[in-house]
Amino acid sequence: AQKITQTQPGMFVQEKEAVTLDCTYDTSDPSYGLFWYKQPSSGEMIFLIYQGSYDQQNATEGRYSLNFQKARKSANLVISASQLGDSAMYFCAMREGVTGGSYIPTFGRGTSLIVHP
Amino acid sequence: KAGVTQTPRYLIKTRGQQVTLSCSPISGHRSVSWYQQTPGQGLQFLFEYFSETQRNKGNFPGRFSGRQFSNSRSEMNVSTLELGDSALYLCASSSEQGRSPLHFGNGTRLTVT
Repeated sequence: AQKITQTQPGMFVQEKEAVTLDCTYDTSDPSYGLFWYKQPSSGEMIFLIYQGSYDQQNATEGRYSLNFQKARKSANLVISASQLGDSAMYFCAMREGVTGGSYIPTFGRGTSLIVHP
Repeated sequence: KAGVTQTPRYLIKTRGQQVTLSCSPISGHRSVSWYQQTPGQGLQFLFEYFSETQRNKGNFPGRFSGRQFSNSRSEMNVSTLELGDSALYLCASSSEQGRSPLHFGNGTRLTVT
C-alpha cells in the first residue's frame, strides 16, 4: 500500500494566486513527521516545511503553510501569492518514528506545479 | 554552512561499465542517504550510512553499493551498468534530530548507453 499519496500529477495556477497541493499518508506509528520538498528542473530537492505528528499548530514558513488534518491523515501544502519561480515538482514525504534512530523517508510521486503569468 | 555537494553532475557510461558517485554532506551531519529518481519509479531509497556503517538498505540489487568515510563523505558505486540504471542519483544528509529534514545535493544524472 502507498504510504504517501499525491493525487494531483499536475496543477496550474495564476501568478499571485494561492494553490493547494494535496498529500495523504498512511501510518500506524503515532510518532511521525511530514515534509514537503520542491524540485526545480535543475534537480536539487529543496526542503520547504515540516509538520510533526504531535505539533498542535499547522506549520508555516513564509508563503508556505501546511494544512494538517491528523484524523483524515492529510497534510496539504498551501502556497500563497504564487510566483513564477514556484514552478517545479513538489514532493510530500513522511518519516516514521521521529523520536530518533534511522532516517528512511517515504516520498510521494510528486505534483508538477506550473505558475502562469 | 556549505550545502551537500555531489560530483560529478553528469555522467555518460556504457552498459557493463561501473561508476562511482561522490557526496560530501553538510558539516556536522553524520547520516548520508542515497536515492534513485526515475520518471517511472519516482524517488527510491538506496541506502543510508551513519558513522561509516550502512544502517539501512533499500530494495536494490547487489550491484549497488556504497561506503562512508570517517569525515562522513560517502561514495556510491554501481557495477555492471544496465540501461535501466539511467537516473538522477540524489544524495542527502541530515542531523540526528527527529525534526531535521533531509538536505539534498544537486544530484548526479547518469546516462547508460
